[in-house]
Amino acid sequence: EPEVTQTPSHQVTQMGQEVILRCVPISNHLYFYWYRQILGQKVEFLVSFYNNEISEKSEIFDDQFSVERPDGSNFTLKIRSTKLEDSAMYFCAGTGMWSYEQYFGPGTRLTVT
Amino acid sequence: GQQLNQSPQSMFIQEGEDVSMNCTSSSIFNTWLWYKQDPGEGPVLLIALYKAGELTSNGRLTAQFGITRKDSFLNISASIPSDVGIYFCAGRMDSNYQLIWGAGTKLIIKP
Repeated sequence: EPEVTQTPSHQVTQMGQEVILRCVPISNHLYFYWYRQILGQKVEFLVSFYNNEISEKSEIFDDQFSVERPDGSNFTLKIRSTKLEDSAMYFCAGTGMWSYEQYFGPGTRLTVT
Repeated sequence: GQQLNQSPQSMFIQEGEDVSMNCTSSSIFNTWLWYKQDPGEGPVLLIALYKAGELTSNGRLTAQFGITRKDSFLNISASIPSDVGIYFCAGRMDSNYQLIWGAGTKLIIKP
């Protein structure tokens, strides 16, 4: 059964550094999402991406965040200058055409020190 | 922003008991999804609901899309130890791609 994969599983970075979180969605998926989950809290939407464009973004997704799908396979989330409060699990998800069922990757735990 | 109220926050049950949890909102949703999350892992989709009044089962799990489109219920029958985890409801509104999430129900099975 195809799965969403994410790398790395855990990233530790210093405040102010840039990080890139990577996701390989399921191959026939067309809509892609990033969510974050602060430890012990609910999942929060960051951004959705379709046809190489951002479809929606939340208030959390400010100018420090960017997404791209550079090679038609990987889907990346970049945080330009990390803050302590960016520490969280970041999940990538995807859906296929004509579906609203979002399938999630295992997540990347980002720790900002 | 839109919010989903999920309850209960946690449940302590005996193995073999049935479990019920629900999500409510003041807004109308056109899709309800129920996920389970184990510690350190991503949410796993359990059931998807698309029509008001729809009742869908997945093994021992049954979920319903409320007829007002503002709520949804998940029931687990005859719970087993591997049911422990956090269950999340997530809803999608007509105009959005994003999922709006409940705060989760933590299921703990007493030995």
